[in-house]
Amino acid sequence: QKEVEQNSGPLSVPEGAIASLNCTYSDRGSQSFFWYRQYSGKSPELIMSIYSNGDKEDGRFTAQLNKASQYVSLLIRDSQPSDSATYLCAVNLWDNFNKFYFGSGTKLNVKP
Amino acid sequence: GAVVSQHPSWVICKSGTSVKIECRSLDFQATTMFWYRQFPKQSLMLMATSNEGSKATYEQGVEKDKFLINHASLTLSTLTVTSAHPEDSSFYICSAPRWPGVGRTEAFFGQGTRLTVV
Repeated sequence: QKEVEQNSGPLSVPEGAIASLNCTYSDRGSQSFFWYRQYSGKSPELIMSIYSNGDKEDGRFTAQLNKASQYVSLLIRDSQPSDSATYLCAVNLWDNFNKFYFGSGTKLNVKP
Repeated sequence: GAVVSQHPSWVICKSGTSVKIECRSLDFQATTMFWYRQFPKQSLMLMATSNEGSKATYEQGVEKDKFLINHASLTLSTLTVTSAHPEDSSFYICSAPRWPGVGRTEAFFGQGTRLTVV
């Protein structure tokens, strides 16, 4: 059973603070890692993809990957109320089929 | 980024009728597409993997005769909910993977279809 675990939250942070979202995965064969943002009633939107250990920065977002610990995180700097959404962690694994496995999501609330 | 278009965005149908949902990749070819269902405040649930030119692969517990999937071309997959019942009311989302480089995969989602069966 391939699993992606996330804390469901809600995670509440004040506007301007750093929001830290965490995710662990169980399959060491996982090769690609993603963070999606989903607003209520909308479909997920790809924010970041990361493929190798270390940090990857894109604007206010930084994804961190540690394959040895099977851990991936997302940092959001200078959080804005518009960042309030559910953030889904996903991993991609090539086995018999190319599949994506999603966590249940962490709800983030950024308070003005 | 890559664009995946899903249509319709919402539909209301009577119990017992069938509804077809289309998913198109607009700027890339997708030999594989994924169909998900999401109930309110729950995570995505993979229903099936659509394969161009071959039969779809259904997840355990998903009725293949109820959720008909056709992947007729490299840019179009359709999901037909047959003999819909109120319990089929949900948010249906398609996704298509793209390979931007060696060993790299990304998945992009359609806008989703909110189905209400009355």
